[in-house]
This record gives sequence, C-alpha cells and structure tokens, in this order.
Amino acid sequence: TQLLEQSPQFLSIQEGENLTVYCNSSSVFSSLQWYRQEPGEGPVLLVTVVTGGEVKKLKRLTFQFGDARKDSSLHITAAQTGDTGLYLCAGEISTYKYIFGTGTRLKVLA
Amino acid sequence: EADIYQTPRYLVIGTGKKITLECSQTMGHDKMYWYQQDPGMELHLIHYSYGVNSTEKGDLSSESTVSRIRTEHFPLTLESARPSHTSQYLCASSESISLFFGPGTRLTVL
Repeated sequence: TQLLEQSPQFLSIQEGENLTVYCNSSSVFSSLQWYRQEPGEGPVLLVTVVTGGEVKKLKRLTFQFGDARKDSSLHITAAQTGDTGLYLCAGEISTYKYIFGTGTRLKVLA
Repeated sequence: EADIYQTPRYLVIGTGKKITLECSQTMGHDKMYWYQQDPGMELHLIHYSYGVNSTEKGDLSSESTVSRIRTEHFPLTLESARPSHTSQYLCASSESISLFFGPGTRLTVL
C-alpha cells in the first residue's frame, strides 16, 4: 500500500511565526500537489511541482519537491490567521491517479 | 463560469434507502473522481473516470457505483445506505495534473 505521511498532524502557532509541513513517502511520484481545505468545503489547489528539487513560491508559502521525488515540504513565513486550515499533499502514483497525504491541521492564533 | 457542483450539500437518510449524489462540471474536463473523507482526515479514492463510458474503482473498497454517460456529469449511487457510509463525499475533475474539487456532500445515515 502506498502511503503519504504528513507531519506534524496538528500545529497551533501564533500569528507571525514560521512553520514547515512535511510530506513523505517511499514511493516516487511524477508530480505532487498541495491543497488547503476549509471546514465544510472541498480542497483548493495551492501548487503543483513536477521536477525533483523544484522550489515554488506563492507569496508567503514556499513549496519544495525532493530531489528523488518522494517527499515535499511546505514552509509558511509569518503565518496569518487566514492560513488556518487543513493542508493536504497529493502524489500522482500513475497517470492522472492520485493519493492524498494524512493531512496537517494548522491553526494560527491572533 | 467554469465550476464544479455537487448536490445535495447535506443529506440525512435512514438505513436501507437508495441515494444518488450528483456531480457536474462545466469545464469540459475528461477526468473525474470521487473521494471519501472523514472529518479532518485524508481523502480516499473510491471511483474515477477518464472519459464517457469509462469508470474504474479506486483504492478504497466501496459499495457505491458510478456512471459517466455525459462528460459533465458523474453521479454516485448507493443502492442501500448503511451507517458505515456516513462520511463526506468529494467530487473532483481534472484536465491535466491538477484536481478541482466540488464543495462536497456530507452524508449521514441513521
């Protein structure tokens, strides 16, 4: 069974702090995506990475795909209360078929 | 406006009832997916389709069935609902390597 483990599972921080979320697997992925999900809604795509070692920035969010394409990280600089949500990574295990990570629930306190 | 819709958003029914969860997208995407998610947890793939008249079972065993008679429509049917089917059901569509999700249907079976 292919698994995508995310850590930490829960994270509660103060506004203005930095944080990193990790997504790890023993499988190689042809692409990997990060999503954020609000309660009662579907996940919303944040970024897609496809090349080993790739780094993408989206305002205060920095995403990195591991060199071997088995892992990824999401770093948030100066977190804001609007960053609160469930962060999910998803790896493409075969053409157009994806598995999702175990999720990281982030709460940013004012 | 290009979007993906799910109805109903919330459904509470009794055991043994037949139900159909609707999913429609206006983006002309060939690929569509159904995921099951318990609150705050990871998503599990239960069905997917790569085009009209193409449907496949996902990794999570499910007693539901799907059909894809039209590109834009991908309904999911439970012939006889049970309390173990209580969950959130998320529909998604894709043209390339990124998924676009609907808002989900929260199903409760009493």
